[in-house]
Amino acid sequence: AQTVTQSQPEMSVQEAETVTLSCTYDTSESDYYLFWYKQPPSRQMILVIRQEAYKQQNATENRFSVNFQKAAKSFSLKISDSQLGDAAMYFCAYHWPGTYKYIFGTGTRLKVLA
Amino acid sequence: GAGVSQSPSNKVTEKGKDVELRCDPISGHTALYWYRQRLGQGLEFLIYFQGNSAPDKSGLPSDRFSAERTGESVSTLTIQRTQQEDSAVYLCASSSHETSGRAPGELFFGEGSRLTVL
Repeated sequence: AQTVTQSQPEMSVQEAETVTLSCTYDTSESDYYLFWYKQPPSRQMILVIRQEAYKQQNATENRFSVNFQKAAKSFSLKISDSQLGDAAMYFCAYHWPGTYKYIFGTGTRLKVLA
Repeated sequence: GAGVSQSPSNKVTEKGKDVELRCDPISGHTALYWYRQRLGQGLEFLIYFQGNSAPDKSGLPSDRFSAERTGESVSTLTIQRTQQEDSAVYLCASSSHETSGRAPGELFFGEGSRLTVL
């Protein structure tokens, strides 16, 4: 069964520093999509970044990038030059190919220290 | 509206009462999801609507939970005879894409409805 694991319930980072949030997943599929969503205190989740499994190049969106290691089934999120506005819950999600189902991890709460 | 709208934002109710939560998706979005988010936990799938197709209700935890959607418009999630374990944030998300396709569309979330059952 597909599962998504985020082993870090909480992380802290100093403003302007870099932090990496980890995510591992389990699947027998070869082509699928992975996502990172951010949930700030307002509760509205927004998409941060998306990765397609057959693309070997790691996705990048401004200060956000991923380290996608398909063989290890690892999909970590790196936030560079952390800002106070990055403080939020971050959820890793796996899209079950051929279905409409997304499997979400339990989230990592990121604190940014001034 | 510009985004997914949910109401009420917060609801406090007494055990045994019925509650109705509303989701207004982005106009034109055919796919609509309801998720439950308990404190400190991930998102638990409840139900999925896609256009006029039969919804996937496989995630509804009990027959006290039901949801309706008329066409591609507003959806309501109803919880009857609420229990304390129903306390959670209920999130609604919509998408413009056929999300069972090869390239799943982005999910657009509302701010959720926080339900507290006393």
